[in-house]
Amino acid sequence: EIVLTQSPGTLSLSPGERARLSCRASQSVRNNYLAWYQQKPGQAPRLLIYGASSRATGTPDRVSGSGSGTDFTLTISRLEPEDFAVYYCQQYGSSPPYTFGQGTKLEI
Amino acid sequence: EVQLVESGGGLVQPGRSLRLSCTASGFTFGDEAMAWVRQAPGKGLEWVGFIRSKIHGGTTENAASVRGRFTISRDDSNSIAYLQMNSLKTEDTAMYYCTRALYTPHDGWSGYYSDCWGQGTLVTVSS
Repeated sequence: EIVLTQSPGTLSLSPGERARLSCRASQSVRNNYLAWYQQKPGQAPRLLIYGASSRATGTPDRVSGSGSGTDFTLTISRLEPEDFAVYYCQQYGSSPPYTFGQGTKLEI
Repeated sequence: EVQLVESGGGLVQPGRSLRLSCTASGFTFGDEAMAWVRQAPGKGLEWVGFIRSKIHGGTTENAASVRGRFTISRDDSNSIAYLQMNSLKTEDTAMYYCTRALYTPHDGWSGYYSDCWGQGTLVTVSS
């Protein structure tokens, strides 16, 4: 089973700043099958990125994913108020289970 | 528009059973895999399992934490996915989300990621 470790646990930034969230895998993620989700309080998660770098429908251009192998990054270039939420990475490149990271809380 | 609506959650005693339903609309249900993800109160996301579409065998996979207790099934004629939960434990208390799981093949390998999520149904296991 692949273990995903996200860092930092909490990231405190201001609107307009750049956010970089890390997701590190315990072994290489096949085909870079890594997704990122955003979750706001009281809401279901929402897919942002799949395949490490492909934006899902509705994901703004200022949100981007990068990385390969064991190291992946979600970057939000200019934070908007609606970006403050919890972010999870998930790998789906190994045989199931498709594990999630523990999450990064992005706060003001 | 894709919609997923979970139902069937509630309060149940340890050791008892519960069946969750996920009613889908807005896409050809039979063509897609369906997954379940849960979230304990104040905690992160945990992948529970999924069921492939019939064209890909209709088989299921489950997390080790629920294997042998939880069963995922589907009714393609009514666009419903089910999560049958038996021998429930207090640690199964969580919000349970149904998701559409998109099939992604590449170089002889395939994976599934969750592109659409329902709003969830809360399961509380307590005496």
